[in-house]
This record gives sequence, structure tokens and C-alpha cells, in this order.
Amino acid sequence: ETGVTQSPTHLIKTRGQQVTLRCSSQSGHNTVSWYQQALGQGPQFIFQYYREEENGRGNFPPRFSGLQFPNYSSELNVNALELDDSALYLCASSFSGSGTQVEQYFGPGTRLTVT
Amino acid sequence: AQKITQTQPGMFVQEKEAVTLDCTYDTSDQSYGLFWYKQPSSGEMIFLIYQGSYDEQNATEGRYSLNFQKARKSANLVISASQLGDSAMYFCALDQAGTALIFGKGTTLSVSS
Repeated sequence: ETGVTQSPTHLIKTRGQQVTLRCSSQSGHNTVSWYQQALGQGPQFIFQYYREEENGRGNFPPRFSGLQFPNYSSELNVNALELDDSALYLCASSFSGSGTQVEQYFGPGTRLTVT
Repeated sequence: AQKITQTQPGMFVQEKEAVTLDCTYDTSDQSYGLFWYKQPSSGEMIFLIYQGSYDEQNATEGRYSLNFQKARKSANLVISASQLGDSAMYFCALDQAGTALIFGKGTTLSVSS
């Protein structure tokens, strides 16, 4: 196990609602990245937080937003949920020195279903 | 644009055999990293092996080795002596500027007894 935890494990929401997913990073790690994995696809990068600041963003609309806290845990918020937001959401933590990093360690994911 | 291509949707192998999972990449960066992850049906992504673009030796981690051919832009994963527990989805990923990982579509490996 990596030491990265995510909550909740599963979630069912209705179109138009808002959702918050949580991630606790591995001890000693200061960077958290979020990925969306649709069924049968590889994960797609949403954004990354390094020392509480956004440090890169993928091709996702502004209704996907995030936070990183002083203890390096993180939240992913999605507003105005759409059916296509149904996916496995993966959080990954890593240690970044001066903006470079090596391995990202993933949590077990949160499976979001939007009906 | 940076891209990872995994052309094998599924691979089948018997226990104790070796298997190679293909990965080609496209990047204009001189410094980059390549990763392989394993994803069992439980969903968690498990880090297997890493190769830096400036590493002269091919990376090895136990039964996993990475056949890195920089000129061909390929980074194939070799699993020696396959085990039933190796059955999973395998993803190749390219590190983009130290932030995002760009993943391929994955290869499903099935190991039979």
C-alpha cells in the first residue's frame, strides 16, 4: 500500500449537483495530482497542487477546482455535474524538490457515478 | 504534443513465461521520465518501474525490466516468469515537465496456469 488514502470510495450523484472528493497524501510528500479515469481508458490529468498552489492543469473546465491544505491533503470539487463526469478519480502524491518529481504514488480512487 | 501509444489491447501468457508490453512515446523534451503502472481490478495504480531519459542503463525492478530504446522512442516493459497475480491492466506513462503524467490506453495482461 502507498499510504495515499481517498474518500469516499464510491459516490452516486445526480446531474447538476456538486461533489467534493478528498485525498490524504503519503507522509513526507508535498505534491498532489488528480486524474480522471473513464471506463476502459487511461487516466487523464486534471491538475496538480504543490505547496498549496496549483502547479499545472489539464484540459478540464473551470467547474473542476481543487485545494491543497497545509498538511498537503487535497480536495477535488466538481460543480454542475454532468453524466460524462462518471469515472474513477485518482489522487497521486509525490515529493517535489524544485519543481521536478519522480514517482507518483496513487490512492485507491473514488468511483463517481452521475445519474 | 506529448503522447503515449500502447498498441496491444490485450496480451495472453502462461505462467512462468516472459512477456513484453509495448510502449512508444512522443515528446520534444530532452529531459523526461517514463513510468509503468499496474492497475488490478481493484482500481489502484501500482508503480512498477521508472526510466529517466538520461539513464544509460535500462531500469530493472525484480521481475520487471524496461527495454528503453531512445532513438526509437520506445519503452517496453518486460515481465519475466509471469505469475497469476500479474493479471491486470498495465499503463505506460510519460512525465510532462515534472507535473502531469500522460498515460497510454493500457494493455490488459491475462496470465493462465
